[in-house]
Amino acid sequence: DVKVTQSSRYLVKRTGEKVFLECVQDMDHENMFWYRQDPGLGLRLIYFSYDVKMKEKGDIPEGYSVSREKKERFSLILESASTNQTSMYLCASSPRDWGYEQYFGPGTRLTVT
Amino acid sequence: RKEVEQDPGPFNVPEGATVAFNCTYSNSASQSFFWYRQDCRKEPKLLMSVYSSGNEDGRFTAQLNRASQYISLLIRDSKLSDSATYLCVVNMGSGGGADGLTFGKGTHLIIQP
Repeated sequence: DVKVTQSSRYLVKRTGEKVFLECVQDMDHENMFWYRQDPGLGLRLIYFSYDVKMKEKGDIPEGYSVSREKKERFSLILESASTNQTSMYLCASSPRDWGYEQYFGPGTRLTVT
Repeated sequence: RKEVEQDPGPFNVPEGATVAFNCTYSNSASQSFFWYRQDCRKEPKLLMSVYSSGNEDGRFTAQLNRASQYISLLIRDSKLSDSATYLCVVNMGSGGGADGLTFGKGTHLIIQP
């Protein structure tokens, strides 16, 4: 079974803090993704990576950065957390070939106060 | 602009009834189509892929209409456990898979006893 794990299910941080969200997948997938999901807005792509040390901006990269030092791990970084970054964050992975579905982690519900 | 549109619902349906909903997509060159299911406060999970010839999995049938650029999901003999949000997902990528998946905002289905 494909497994995508995220470091925390729930996280509470203060405005201005630096926040790290970790994602690990065990299926040797090339592609990894970070989304945020908000009511009424659906899933929005923040960043994705198609290889180690490679990253591409998604639709809403502002205020975020990512790191992919190893194939199995993709980290999302909030440089200075703000209240409008309170959201559900979902990590996903997929094989390189297009047309394959994405496998999601359980999500991290981040609250910034 | 890449668009995947769904009726957000909610669809309130009595148990045992048949329900269907559609999803339209904007890019006629799209090649891969999926339905995902997302339970409340859980991650999206693949329900089924949608093939050109249509496909059926138990009580679920998915169809693709390329001419009109929509896909559909039909659920027969609905169960209480079918209550969820159903996400339409389309691969609009031009060949590279990493950024090609576009998610609809989901259709909320409530099966009532």
